[in-house]
Amino acid sequence: DAMVIQNPRYQVTQFGKPVTLSCSQTLNHNVMYWYQQKSSQAPKLLFHYYDKDFNNEADTPDNFQSRRPNTSFCFLDIRSPGLGDAAMYLCATSEGYDQPQHFGDGTRLSIL
Amino acid sequence: QKEVEQNSGPLSVPEGAIASLNCTYSDRGSQSFFWYRQYSGKSPELIMFIYSNGDKEDGRFTAQLNKASQYVSLLIRDSQPSDSATYLCAVNMRRNFGNEKLTFGTGTRLTIIP
Repeated sequence: DAMVIQNPRYQVTQFGKPVTLSCSQTLNHNVMYWYQQKSSQAPKLLFHYYDKDFNNEADTPDNFQSRRPNTSFCFLDIRSPGLGDAAMYLCATSEGYDQPQHFGDGTRLSIL
Repeated sequence: QKEVEQNSGPLSVPEGAIASLNCTYSDRGSQSFFWYRQYSGKSPELIMFIYSNGDKEDGRFTAQLNKASQYVSLLIRDSQPSDSATYLCAVNMRRNFGNEKLTFGTGTRLTIIP
């Protein structure tokens, strides 16, 4: 089945130790998104790509970076995770900006 | 005013009854509206989307849109315990540089009581 796959499902890292989260899709969608979601809060958009065209939100911390080497894959890098970065990280894809977004299962990040 | 506003709940509905979830939004120019279901600790799952005024039905789910009132709702008929989840309303908001941003409400927590 076509889908959005995130790895790993759970990630534990140490304070300040870089971490990379990955997302792949078989939907061949143009747009890929990264969201951060904390408990009882709405998902917060961090980055999105339309094909290779990168956009980051104005309030996304500089600590967060993203790469999309090809249509299928997208990565979220957190250079120096702080305790406040503990959250669920969601990858989503859509055909276009006005089309439904389809989410992966998420990566739950814990910071020790 | 929040961009997308939902009653956080919890909303408790007896099994078999109709659950009604409501959402208002601030951008009068918004054209795309979505409902997602999110179980605790899981990712959002698309339930319905609607672009035109009126009702759109899919199985036990009906989405209703009234652009003049900037209001979108989700009805769940014959509610089942498995419908117990948080329901996120999401609205595409226009932005100055051409693309759109999906803006989520904080969700309504729904509990179906057996």
